[in-house]
Formats: sequence, C-alpha cells, structure tokens
Amino acid sequence: KQEVTQIPAALSVPEGENLVLNCSFTDSAIYNLQWFRQDPGKGLTSLLLIQSSQREQTSGRLNASLDKSSGRSTLYIAASQPGDSATYLCAVRPNEKLTFGTGTRLTIIP
Amino acid sequence: SQTIHQWPATLVQPVGSPLSLECTVEGTSNPNLYWYRQAAGRGLQLLFYSVGIGQISSEVPQNLSASRPQDRQFILSSKKLLLSDSGFYLCAWSVLGWNTNSPLHFGNGTRLTVT
Repeated sequence: KQEVTQIPAALSVPEGENLVLNCSFTDSAIYNLQWFRQDPGKGLTSLLLIQSSQREQTSGRLNASLDKSSGRSTLYIAASQPGDSATYLCAVRPNEKLTFGTGTRLTIIP
Repeated sequence: SQTIHQWPATLVQPVGSPLSLECTVEGTSNPNLYWYRQAAGRGLQLLFYSVGIGQISSEVPQNLSASRPQDRQFILSSKKLLLSDSGFYLCAWSVLGWNTNSPLHFGNGTRLTVT
C-alpha cells in the first residue's frame, strides 16, 4: 500500500528566505506526482505536476523535483512571501487515484 | 476553460438526517470524478471515484454513497448521517484515463458539521 509522508508537519520561516518542503513515498511505481496548495477552509490548488519520466518542473518561484528511485520529491520556494503561507500537500498517482500526504503547514513571517 | 462547482459551501445537519452534496464540472467531457474527505488534522481520504456515468468505485466502506447521473455531475449522499461524517468534503476532476499530464483539479469544498 502506497504511503506518502511529508516532514515537517509545520514550518515557519522569515520572509525572503528560500525554503524546501519534502515529500516521500513508499512505492516508486507512480505515473506522476503533484504538489498542491491549500489555504484555510479552501479547496486545493494545483501548483506543479511532475511526470514519472521527469526530474523537475518549474513555475515562477516554485521548483519541484522528483527522484522516483528513492521515493522523494521536494518543493523549493524561492524568496518566500507572506502570501505563500498555506498548507502544501503532495500526492502520487499510481493509477486513476491519488494518494496524498498529510501536508506541511507553512508560515512566512513578515 | 474548465471549472468545477461544489455546493453548498457549509452545511450543519443533525445526526440521522440525510445528506446530498453536489458537484458539477464545466468545460470538459468524460472526466474522472472524485470525492475526498478531509477530517480535522488528517490527510485527504478518497471516498469514491468515477470513470463514467453510473460507474462508481468505493474506497471506504461507510454509510455514504455516490452517484453520477450525468457525465459531469457527481453526487455524494447519505441516508442517515453519523457524527463521524463531519469533515471537509472535496470534489475533484481530472482528464479521463491514465494521462500522466492530467492534474487533479479541486472544487472549493463543503464544510459539513453533524450535530
């Protein structure tokens, strides 16, 4: 059974710093990995999707990497801003269904 | 462009009452549709998914059910709510099939409180 872990559960950093969020998964047989952002009381917003054949994807200040063999993905956020404060979730897709991690709650301190 | 609508946004229901949450998708055809639940302090739990009209797969045995009466409509129901059904319910869609370029898109969710 696929298990997805995100550590730490919560992270606080000063504004302007670069930061890395981690995601690990137990079964490397995946089609893609997706990173989401969730604001309090809201649905999930898709940030980046990395196909299993890719190593990384970039969107603006966000860069996601994937090392399928080791079961790891990272989300790099450059020059963090208070508006980046949210919970970030990763999810892996082995088939029609996604398996989610429990998320990292990120707080950017102005 | 594609959009997903979910309603109501919030709902307070007594124990034993029925439930009906609706989700519709616009701007695409034959999507995969999903219902997830997010309980306080816990991750997202897949409840149901559908790859076509009338095709429902249940992931977790419980007192909830799902139906897909139309291509882009997904309904989550219960005949009698339990306290443990409280949570944040999220509908999502993706392009049909195993397309590795297809991300999952979520609605804004329904906050259900069973009292």
